[in-house]
Amino acid sequence: DTGVSQNPRHKITKRGQNVTFRCDPISEHNRLYWYRQTLGQGPEFLTYFQNEAQLEKSRLLSDRFSAERPKGSFSTLEIQRTEQGDSAMYLCASSLVGGRYSSYNEQFFGPGTRLTVL
Amino acid sequence: GIQVEQSPPDLILQEGANSTLRCNFSDSVNNLQWFHQNPWGQLINLFYIPSGTKQNGRLSATTVATERYSLLYISSSQTTDSGVYFCAAPGGDNYGQNFVFGPGTRLSVLP
Repeated sequence: DTGVSQNPRHKITKRGQNVTFRCDPISEHNRLYWYRQTLGQGPEFLTYFQNEAQLEKSRLLSDRFSAERPKGSFSTLEIQRTEQGDSAMYLCASSLVGGRYSSYNEQFFGPGTRLTVL
Repeated sequence: GIQVEQSPPDLILQEGANSTLRCNFSDSVNNLQWFHQNPWGQLINLFYIPSGTKQNGRLSATTVATERYSLLYISSSQTTDSGVYFCAAPGGDNYGQNFVFGPGTRLSVLP
C-alpha cells in the first residue's frame, strides 16, 4: 500500500493553457475525490467518483473543469483555458466504502498538485 | 449544507505545553476526521472519530455527536506538531459523500 499519489507535484502554466493532473488512489479503494485548496483556506470539494461513475460535482466545478476515472482506478482532472483564479493546490483523496447504507468513509489524501497560473 | 467551525484560529505554544483544539459542526454527523497539514501541504490522517474517544500517542480526540463538537488534545507538544489542523465532516448535496472542512487551527510550537 503506497498511499495516494498525484502527478505532477507542481505545475506552472500561462493563462489560457490547458492542464491535466493525475491521481492514483490507494489500490482497491472504490471512491476517489478531488478537492481544491487556496492559500489560508481549508480544502473545498470539487467532485467524486464511485468506481468509474462520477456521482457528484460541486458548483465550484465550472464548465472548464472535467474529471474522469475511466477504469475505476486512476483519475485525471483537466482544466481548460486556465485563469489566474485557478491557482491553487489540487488534492485527491480516496476511500473504501462498504455497503449502500454504510457510513464508514475514511478519506486518505495525496500530496497534492500545486498549480500556478501566470 | 453543514457548517464547520474551528477554534482557536491560531495557537502559539512553547515546546512541552498541552493544547486543546475545538471543532463545532452545525448538523448531526455520522463521521468526522481530524487532519494535520504539514508545511509541504500533505494532509495526514490523525483520527477518524464519529463518536467517542480515541488516543494515539500524545494525541487524543473526543467527539460528542449529540452536542455537535469534537476536541483534539495535543500533550507535550513538539516542534514537529507545527502546522495546520483541520477537522472535516460530511456535507454537501449528497449526505456523507464528501467532506466539508473547517477553516483550520494554525499551530506553532516554539523550541
